Amino acid sequence: DGGITQSPKYLFRKEGQNVTLSCEQNLNHDAMYWYRQDPGQGLRLIYYSQIVNDFQKGDIAEGYSVSREKKESFPLTVTSAQKNPTAFYLCASSIPLAHEQFFGPGTRLTVL
Amino acid sequence: KQEVTQIPAALSVPEGENLVLNCSFTDSAIYNLQWFRQDPGKGLTSLLLIQSSQREQTSGRLNASLDKSSGRSTLYIAASQPGDSATYLCAVGKDFGNEKLTFGTGTRLTIIP
Repeated sequence: DGGITQSPKYLFRKEGQNVTLSCEQNLNHDAMYWYRQDPGQGLRLIYYSQIVNDFQKGDIAEGYSVSREKKESFPLTVTSAQKNPTAFYLCASSIPLAHEQFFGPGTRLTVL
Repeated sequence: KQEVTQIPAALSVPEGENLVLNCSFTDSAIYNLQWFRQDPGKGLTSLLLIQSSQREQTSGRLNASLDKSSGRSTLYIAASQPGDSATYLCAVGKDFGNEKLTFGTGTRLTIIP
């Protein structure tokens, strides 16, 4: 089955710890995205990558980092510099310039 | 700065009724508009994508329209079913070559059996 997988589904982190969220796709899409979703708010773009070894900051990149070493993978690291990391994180991918985005099932991160 | 608004935030209708969900955007210079469905605690499922040159798109019981000049889109759901209960989100793409989507906050739809 083609699709986007995110792991883990639930993640708990102590304050001051970095954590990495996994996103993998087998759709052969070049572009990948990370969004954050908070209750009552729309999705906000954290980072996006249009091609391997290249990525750009979105609207709320502070406290986050990404890498894009493989086409299939776009991991997101939530660093201790992120002041309010508790949220639902969604990964997406698309064919470049087509703008139709397809989403993974999400990871819910809770900071204890 | 593009702003996308979806009103109402929540809507309840009896099963079998036809319904319309609304999406408005402030900047009419868009590349396309996408409607998504989100079930509680889940990711987004793409429903319909309308290019800026198109007026509408249809998939099964769903029909999405786009009026760029007035900054509005509607999602029409025919013969609603309890399985249609979910949050519906619209998102607009800015321009060709710009991958960013701007999302609305969604309409939470409940279909009453």
